[in-house]
Amino acid sequence: KAGVTQTPRYLIKTRGQQVTLSCSPISGHRSVSWYQQTPGQGLQFLFEYFSETQRNKGNFPGRFSGRQFSNSRSEMNVSTLELGDSALYLCASRKSSYNEQFFGPGTRLTVL
Amino acid sequence: AQTVTQSQPEMSVQEAETVTLSCTYDTSENNYYLFWYKQPPSRQMILVIRQEAYKQQNATENRFSVNFQKAAKSFSLKISDSQLGDTAMYFCAFMRVGNNDMRFGAGTRLTVKP
Repeated sequence: KAGVTQTPRYLIKTRGQQVTLSCSPISGHRSVSWYQQTPGQGLQFLFEYFSETQRNKGNFPGRFSGRQFSNSRSEMNVSTLELGDSALYLCASRKSSYNEQFFGPGTRLTVL
Repeated sequence: AQTVTQSQPEMSVQEAETVTLSCTYDTSENNYYLFWYKQPPSRQMILVIRQEAYKQQNATENRFSVNFQKAAKSFSLKISDSQLGDTAMYFCAFMRVGNNDMRFGAGTRLTVKP
């Protein structure tokens, strides 16, 4: 069974631009969560989608948004990029709230 | 709010020896899960072990075992017979049952020396 995949793996953007990251969960997994990982703040929860609905949201500004499609694939969008948005963005999927999460390899975003 | 604390930013161990990573958490919840995740230099996060709070028996997975002390809110990871491939960042994580907001500790960087 294929694991969680994320595209692209690396991305370089400039301040003010916007970016869209993609995550394909493990087949059969309906829940997709997004995390931001930085050296200073560690791993922080962004949001979680289940059956195309956002179920939970972390403490991030409205510039961070996401969506989930009917095939459970998810996208995360960051608008008006700031230098502080440079991070590794991790996506994780699971079957339900009672199962552990499986993580993707991450997308390394660099904002110049 | 739930918080997870890993007080050891870095640790090292000789190959074949045993090492214990510490984790404490703060919660008023009674039903929750605790996890240890491993993130090798390649960055893919891998689940090492999982513990349900309602289970008194400590979870074990081959060379990995936990010491779960619910009253003390402590959840340490013991790695026996350490191998070079165990070199990684280790994250302790907390998740309330039915909630999907997983809280992570700051991580412990473990280096296994030959």
